[in-house]
Amino acid sequence: KAGVTQTPRYLIKTRGQQVTLSCSPISGHRSVSWYQQTPGQGLQFLFEYFSETQRNKGNFPGRFSGRQFSNSRSEMNVSTLELGDSALYLCASRGGVKLFFGSGTQLSVL
Amino acid sequence: SQELEQSPQSLIVQEGKNLTINCTSSKTLYGLYWYKQKYGEGLIFLMMLQKGGEEKSHEKITAKLDEKKQQSSLHITASQPSHAGIYLCGADIRVSGNEKLTFGTGTRLTIIP
Repeated sequence: KAGVTQTPRYLIKTRGQQVTLSCSPISGHRSVSWYQQTPGQGLQFLFEYFSETQRNKGNFPGRFSGRQFSNSRSEMNVSTLELGDSALYLCASRGGVKLFFGSGTQLSVL
Repeated sequence: SQELEQSPQSLIVQEGKNLTINCTSSKTLYGLYWYKQKYGEGLIFLMMLQKGGEEKSHEKITAKLDEKKQQSSLHITASQPSHAGIYLCGADIRVSGNEKLTFGTGTRLTIIP
């Protein structure tokens, strides 16, 4: 069974641009959640989707948005990028009580 | 402020020695998870504890949950280089009526020969 797949693995953008990250959960998993990880703040919860509906949201500005498709694949979008958005973005799919994480997308904003 | 505090933040241990990492919650716990992360990569699930007093082991790693104190500890016996990485505790914490999986600040473990 394939694991959680995130693309792209690395991304370099400049301030003001927007970016879209993709996450394919493990087959059969309907819940996908997104996290931002930085050295200063650690792992911060962004949002969770279940069956195409946002079920939970963290304390991030509206520039951060997401969606989930009928096949459970999820995308995360960040508009008007800021330097502070540089981080490792992780997505996870839930199977029972366990969260399975992808390898992440390392975003660098210059 | 962090809802989950881990200590220590970093740890350097000689190979073969034992070590303990602690995780303390400021809110009621509904489940406590331990994950391991290699730098710049995703998190690997280690174990989950759900009941007060519960203890689980996997190979040389043992985790305990003290529900009354809202604390958990992760203990590694006879550490090996493969144990090096970042250890994170996570918990389903109820905030404003919603439950979300929140993570601690992490403990960076270095094993020296």
